[in-house]
Amino acid sequence: DGGITQSPKYLFRKEGQNVTLSCEQNLNHDAMYWYRQDPGQGLRLIYYSQIVNDFQKGDIAEGYSVSREKKESFPLTVTSAQKNPTAFYLCASSPHGEQFFGPGTRLTVL
Amino acid sequence: QKEVEQDPGPLSVPEGAIVSLNCTYSNSAFQYFMWYRQYSRKGPELLMYTYSSGNKEDGRFTAQVDKSSKYISLFIRDSQPSDSATYLCAMSLRNTGNQFYFGTGTSLTVIP
Repeated sequence: DGGITQSPKYLFRKEGQNVTLSCEQNLNHDAMYWYRQDPGQGLRLIYYSQIVNDFQKGDIAEGYSVSREKKESFPLTVTSAQKNPTAFYLCASSPHGEQFFGPGTRLTVL
Repeated sequence: QKEVEQDPGPLSVPEGAIVSLNCTYSNSAFQYFMWYRQYSRKGPELLMYTYSSGNKEDGRFTAQVDKSSKYISLFIRDSQPSDSATYLCAMSLRNTGNQFYFGTGTSLTVIP
């Protein structure tokens, strides 16, 4: 069963803590993406990777970090430097001109 | 000016109605156009994917692209309560190594 998985579905973090969101795909897609979705603001690009061991900052990369050690995996770390991390985080992958999304992780800072 | 503009709605229609959702864009270099459906607290689901201008039909859904007007549309025929969701348009420049540009989404409610 091919697809994109994200874990956990819900995540709670105390202020000052780093947390890592998992994204795995078995679609053999080269490109992977992380977006943040806030009510009324649409999707905002955090980071994207076109190939293993390479990634680029998106529009709102400050306070986030990523790695791309394997084609299948693109984890996102939300660091304590991110001032307003409570949001819905979406991972996506792309084979060509279209993009497919995972189910999302809802992060809440307590 | 935003790259992609989409009326946020909300849009409310009776069951069985034809729904028209629209986006405009500013970059004439966009080549690939997508429509997504997103239910509350779920990831967006790709509904329609078209390249360049023209129409594409899939069941009750029809996507239209008018590159001369920089305007794309999604039509839903015989709308159902299960179509109630937020619809996002998206577009990209190239076949690979893309960034994608999204509208902010239109919220649709289909009333039984």
